[in-house]
Amino acid sequence: SAVISQKPSRDICQRGTSLTIQCQVDSQVTMMFWYRQQPGQSLTLIATANQGSEATYESGFVIDKFPISRPNLTFSTLTVSNMSPEDSSIYLCSSRGQGDNEETQYFGPGTRLLVL
Amino acid sequence: AQSVTQLGSHVSVSEGALVLLRCNYSSSVPPYLFWYVQYPNQGLQLLLKYTSAATLVKGINGFEAEFKKSETSFHLTKPSAHMSDAAEYFCAVGGTGFQKLVFGTGTRLLVSP
Repeated sequence: SAVISQKPSRDICQRGTSLTIQCQVDSQVTMMFWYRQQPGQSLTLIATANQGSEATYESGFVIDKFPISRPNLTFSTLTVSNMSPEDSSIYLCSSRGQGDNEETQYFGPGTRLLVL
Repeated sequence: AQSVTQLGSHVSVSEGALVLLRCNYSSSVPPYLFWYVQYPNQGLQLLLKYTSAATLVKGINGFEAEFKKSETSFHLTKPSAHMSDAAEYFCAVGGTGFQKLVFGTGTRLLVSP
């Protein structure tokens, strides 16, 4: 399985500001994913990030609001731009496993964001 | 298109009782099915997965799930609940070809002494 870390683990931000969340995987992976989990809700996929190409965004999510970088095969960042209280959520990074576990997604611990 | 339905947003059991969390799926391709657990203030941890091998899948912490194609179900069970099992449980469906995972709405398991 992949071991995934995220920074920061939590943050409190003012509306109108931006926050960049970092995600580090302990092995090289092709695909990384960013999810949002709003309070008391399930996970919603924001985008899929492949190294060397533009991220693919799901319906309802746009690059201007959630720009993503994927500079190499072990790292990605998600920025939440021009934040509002509605952006208060847990943001989770995930990646696929390797070999026999390629169909499985493994998750980081999440970043808990509160926007005031 | 794929989808998952988890019946019951909350399930309450007594310690030592059987745990049954229900998951039904819809998929136009042979599905891969997953159960994840989320403890308070933590990320998602993989409990078990079905990837077209044995239909009865054993996972961590004594959990298991059975894939029933005729019922399009993948219910999660544990013979005897422990207080430490209290958490949120998510069922998810994926498929081959790097299809994304689609998650259910989650079931919160409450375990009373």
